[in-house]
Amino acid sequence: NAGVTQTPKFRVLKTGQSMTLLCAQDMNHEYMYWYRQDPGMGLRLIHYSVGEGTTAKGEVPDGYNVSRLKKQNFLLGLESAAPSQTSVYFCASSYLPLGQQETQYFGPGTRLLVL
Amino acid sequence: GESVGLHLPTLSVQEGDNSIINCAYSNSASDYFIWYKQESGKGPQFIIDIRSNMDKRQGQRVTVLLNKTVKHLSLQIAATQPGDSAVYFCAENSGGSNYKLTFGKGTLLTVNP
Repeated sequence: NAGVTQTPKFRVLKTGQSMTLLCAQDMNHEYMYWYRQDPGMGLRLIHYSVGEGTTAKGEVPDGYNVSRLKKQNFLLGLESAAPSQTSVYFCASSYLPLGQQETQYFGPGTRLLVL
Repeated sequence: GESVGLHLPTLSVQEGDNSIINCAYSNSASDYFIWYKQESGKGPQFIIDIRSNMDKRQGQRVTVLLNKTVKHLSLQIAATQPGDSAVYFCAENSGGSNYKLTFGKGTLLTVNP
């Protein structure tokens, strides 16, 4: 049971390049989330999914797209990377919605540097 | 917008002492609160949670207190150990949301041996 895994661990992009961050969970969780973490700020929700084939916008969705084609995977895409997207990205998952005796379990993070 | 905040950005304690980390929240509709621990280079790790129908909840060496009157949340760590050194975040389910968490900025706890 690997929990929540993220690929890659670290990436450097040039402005305008695209990339996809992969999140995988082996806990059969329905709900998956993408956050970004910036210095001096709390984690901010980018997008989330309440089940296979569904996605929804979070607090800071601009510049990102997501897909949940398989229950165990949640992909975060940057179509045209900008320096403002330099951040640490965390994926999380949960079996139940928040508050139903359930919280979110986080992956180890992906560090992205956009030059 | 409403957000979760922390009173102290850093806290330094001696090994064996008790630690108290505070958090203020402003969204009175939030009804679920969580404390996370984040070690350097790792993702946040769940510590303990509490629902708004409770004032106190205890775990192993940790206690969370919720004061809804003043919208205050605290995490108490008993007999703090060097392994407790990390950044601690409080989070609330944004206005009662089933999916969205609002995080505080975090408090860095340093435990001196």
